[in-house]
Amino acid sequence: DVVLTQTPSTLSATIGQSVSISCRSSQSLLDSAGNTYLYWYLQRPGQSPQLLIYLVSNLGSGVPNRFSGSGSGTDFTLKISGVEAEDLGVYYCMQATHAPYTFGAGTKLELK
Amino acid sequence: EVQLVESGGGLVQPGRSMKLSCAASGFTFSNYGMAWVRQAPTKGLEWVATISYDGSSTYYRDSVKGRFTISRDNAKSTLYLQMNSLRSEDTATYYCTRESGWELDFDYWGQGVMVTVSS
Repeated sequence: DVVLTQTPSTLSATIGQSVSISCRSSQSLLDSAGNTYLYWYLQRPGQSPQLLIYLVSNLGSGVPNRFSGSGSGTDFTLKISGVEAEDLGVYYCMQATHAPYTFGAGTKLELK
Repeated sequence: EVQLVESGGGLVQPGRSMKLSCAASGFTFSNYGMAWVRQAPTKGLEWVATISYDGSSTYYRDSVKGRFTISRDNAKSTLYLQMNSLRSEDTATYYCTRESGWELDFDYWGQGVMVTVSS
């Protein structure tokens, strides 16, 4: 199975600070058709996960544009430009290029 | 408004069976692939199974293959997960999710249903 390694595991930030989360894959996530099936989800405390970013860099519906995704191959990054209180929770990357779909272990964003 | 509402969870003994349901509304259910994702207590997310929009194709993670069956009733806009030979490691919150399309992302999630496998 593809292993997704997220760093850091915990991130402390102040409101307004910009932060980045890394997701590194054990295999390239670029498929033969040129698509990269890498996503980012946020799970707020006590809530279901919600989609933030799909196909590396596309913003999900209704997601604020302070969120952005980048990367290629095996290295991917989620950036939050100006953390807001509602952004606190656990961030997961996920890949769907290789079966089975796999998730990273998560990065917990907390207030400093 | 898209809604996914899971039901059918609870406490079950090891080796027994349980069937989860997910009632969908707010979209044309028969146009979308659907999936189950689970989360063990205090753990991360784990994909369980996916079914195509018409039910003709199903996919499972190895640890549930042969024990779990994903199915759907498009006339009732309902997704199912039949879980047999349950093990303690199946204890988790199970989320029903919608696959957005060829992009394969899970764009909507239910509130989740807890399954506890214990004697």
